Amino acid sequence: KQEVTQIPAALSVPEGENLVLNCSFTDSAIYNLQWFRQDPGKGLTSLLLIQSSQREQTSGRLNASLDKSSGRSTLYIAASQPGDSATYLCADGGSQGNLIFGKGTKLSVKP
Amino acid sequence: DAGVIQSPRHEVTEMGQEVTLRCKPISGHDYLFWYRQTMMRGLELLIYFNNNVPIDDSGMPEDRFSAKMPNASFSTLKIQPSEPRDSAVYFCASSRHRTDTQYFGPGTRLTVL
Repeated sequence: KQEVTQIPAALSVPEGENLVLNCSFTDSAIYNLQWFRQDPGKGLTSLLLIQSSQREQTSGRLNASLDKSSGRSTLYIAASQPGDSATYLCADGGSQGNLIFGKGTKLSVKP
Repeated sequence: DAGVIQSPRHEVTEMGQEVTLRCKPISGHDYLFWYRQTMMRGLELLIYFNNNVPIDDSGMPEDRFSAKMPNASFSTLKIQPSEPRDSAVYFCASSRHRTDTQYFGPGTRLTVL
């Protein structure tokens, strides 16, 4: 059974700090890796999707990397803001479209 | 586009009752996914459809759960009879192609007393 692990489960940083969220996966045949954001009581919002043939993707202050050989992905957030506070989930995307999610990292950015 | 629409947003019912959750995917999306989120197990895929046809229902926990997609713009997830351990947030998501970005609805928070 494929698994996705996110450590730490919670992270608190001061505003303005650069930070890295970690995701590890056991699926050696991963098709893509997706990062989502979830705000309390809301659905998931897609942030970045990295194909297995890619090494990284960037969107604004966000940069996600993928290392298939080590089974790891990172989400880098530059110059964090209080509005970045949310739970961040990564998901292993299989070739059939099914997503296997980690349990998320709850990020709190203090003003 | 209004995004993925789910109803109801909240549902409280008593054990043994039938529950029906509804989803309208984004127009033009060929894939529809149903997920369940709990504190203990996180987000789990229950079932997904391609062009209204169920492709993989291996995540459906028990025969009490069933899902249908009668047309491209509507899907239901039914639980009959409901049990307290079914309490969770149920999400519907859709995508244009199989491995494209999935767009999630706001979820239905189900509480079974």
